[in-house]
Amino acid sequence: SQQGEEDPQALSIQEGENATMNCSYKTSINNLQWYRQNSGRGLVHLILIRSNEREKHSGRLRVTLDTSKKSSSLLITASRAADTASYFCATVPFMNYGGSQGNLIFGKGTKLSVKP
Amino acid sequence: EPEVTQTPSHQVTQMGQEVILRCVPISNHLYFYWYRQILGQKVEFLVSFYNNEISEKSEIFDDQFSVERPDGSNFTLKIRSTKLEDSAMYFCASTLKGDPGPSSYNSPLHFGNGTRLTVT
Repeated sequence: SQQGEEDPQALSIQEGENATMNCSYKTSINNLQWYRQNSGRGLVHLILIRSNEREKHSGRLRVTLDTSKKSSSLLITASRAADTASYFCATVPFMNYGGSQGNLIFGKGTKLSVKP
Repeated sequence: EPEVTQTPSHQVTQMGQEVILRCVPISNHLYFYWYRQILGQKVEFLVSFYNNEISEKSEIFDDQFSVERPDGSNFTLKIRSTKLEDSAMYFCASTLKGDPGPSSYNSPLHFGNGTRLTVT
């Protein structure tokens, strides 16, 4: 089964508009994280939401988590051209004990294009 | 801001050759990871490393792979005999954690910019 499937696969918007990306997952989780990847670069951590949290904000980012539906959304408000990147959700499955967060499970990502 | 650095940025090798990918994690971090991303596909976990030993590894991380922390700063991934399907972007990551247990899962990973490995 696939864990961390983002939707849509690609999103194109105009600068100033809001961008919403969704993520669904299959197993119980400890937390869910969103990362950004600019073309040819590494992943940059954006925000982490724990399984007992429902919403979290960081600047222009808003993340929601619905554990009953096993889904999360990332909202970027007032988008800028610099937000153009791929966005990935990643989960830490609940069964990962032993103190390691190693096997973050990533989705395929949403490719966001913000046009000036 | 401290960064995870990876070298080289691009490595081309022939099938069957050994390659070593190098990483310098953030200096006060304790947990180290390798991930890979085949072009157009998901980022996949390979291995995590803590206290000079492997903590977890995925099915991808077979006997052809090994990791080492030869000194206090470097963290390396070795592929003994490369195959065409090893061609991918390899990312190193590190994180600083507190005590073991569920609360330690809530530490974001810091990734390097990756090494693009091309096996011909």
